[in-house]
Order: sequence, then C-alpha cells, then structure tokens
Amino acid sequence: DGGITQSPKYLFRKEGQNVTLSCEQNLNHDAMYWYRQDPGQGLRLIYYSQIVNDFQKGDIAEGYSVSREKKESFPLTVTSAQKNPTAFYLCASSIFGLAGNNEQFFGPGTRLTVL
Amino acid sequence: GEDVEQSLFLSVREGDSSVINCTYTDSSSTYLYWYKQEPGAGLQLLTYIFSNMDMKQDQRLTVLLNKKDKHLSLRIADTQTGDSAIYFCAEGGTGGYQKVTFGTGTKLQVIP
Repeated sequence: DGGITQSPKYLFRKEGQNVTLSCEQNLNHDAMYWYRQDPGQGLRLIYYSQIVNDFQKGDIAEGYSVSREKKESFPLTVTSAQKNPTAFYLCASSIFGLAGNNEQFFGPGTRLTVL
Repeated sequence: GEDVEQSLFLSVREGDSSVINCTYTDSSSTYLYWYKQEPGAGLQLLTYIFSNMDMKQDQRLTVLLNKKDKHLSLRIADTQTGDSAIYFCAEGGTGGYQKVTFGTGTKLQVIP
C-alpha cells in the first residue's frame, strides 16, 4: 500500500539536544512538507521541498533543518535553537508543488515533548 | 499574507446536519480544501472545490463557495458519532509554488 510513514510516533527530548524526525513516502511524489501543529493554531509550514536536493523555508523555519537526498525521504531535525519545540509534527507530500490541485497526503504525525 | 479563519468548536446532535464555516483572504485561491483529522492522527482530504464552482456535493458532504465574500462552508448531513474530529479548511494560491494555507481547525463534537 502507498502512503507516508513517520517515526517515531512519540519522541521525548531533553533541553539542549537535537532530534531527527523521520518521514518516508512511497507515493512517488515530488513535493514534501513539514508542518507543526499546536492547539488552536492550526498547521504552520516549517520547510518544504519541491524536488530532490532542494528545499525552502516555510513560515516558521527557525530552529529547524531538513535534507532531501532521496525522493522518498524528508527528515526534519529539531535543533537546540528551537526554543519551544513541544508540538505535533506532520509530514505531507503532494504530486507536485506547482500550480494545480495541490492535494497533500499526510503521515500519522510525531508528537515531540521536551522534558 | 494569506489567512484562513474558522471557529474553534461546534457541537451537534447525532442525526442533525453540521455546518462548518471558513473565511479566507487570498482572492487568487484556485483550490479550496476540507481536511479531517481524527485524534492523534494525520489529516485526510475529504473534498476540494475549484474556485470557479459554487457548490460541490459528495454523498453526505456539501461544499458551498461564495467567492465574492471569500466564504467556504462544509455541510455534513445526518452527522454520526464517527464524524467527531477536527475539520480544517485550506486554500491554495497561485504562483510558481502552490502553497496551501490551513485554517485553525474546527473541532466537531457529535452528541449521541
């Protein structure tokens, strides 16, 4: 079955540590996205990538980094520079990020808690 | 920038119709979407409407678009307890990168 997987489902981090969230898709989609979800604030875009080896900052990129070495994979690193990282992180993909119906397919999410 | 607003909460009785409303600011939006999120899960696309349409119906779901007022609504007929979830409105703008802006989400509670 095609889809998007995220791991781990729950992640605990001590202050000052970097952590990496995994996102893998087998939908053969070109574009991938990372969102952060906080209660009452909806989804906010962290980073997106339209093609392998290219990615762009979203609305709240500070304290985060990404890579896109393979079409299937778009890992997100939450660095110690992110002051309030506790949130629910969602990865998504779409066929392309250009003009057209940009229906996005979402993974199940990773809940990150800073201890 | 683009902004999408929704009320945070809606409560309905099982069997009634639910209407979830959304307003957006980007008049150049070409696609408008409704996503559903169940507790602890990702988002799932329910339906979308192209900006040159006024209405779209899909089984129990009816989407109405008032482009002049930049208002979008989702009507769920015969609401069931399984419809309890958070519903997100989203709009897709034009341009080289088809960014999608999501609303804050409306939590629908269905009372048996």
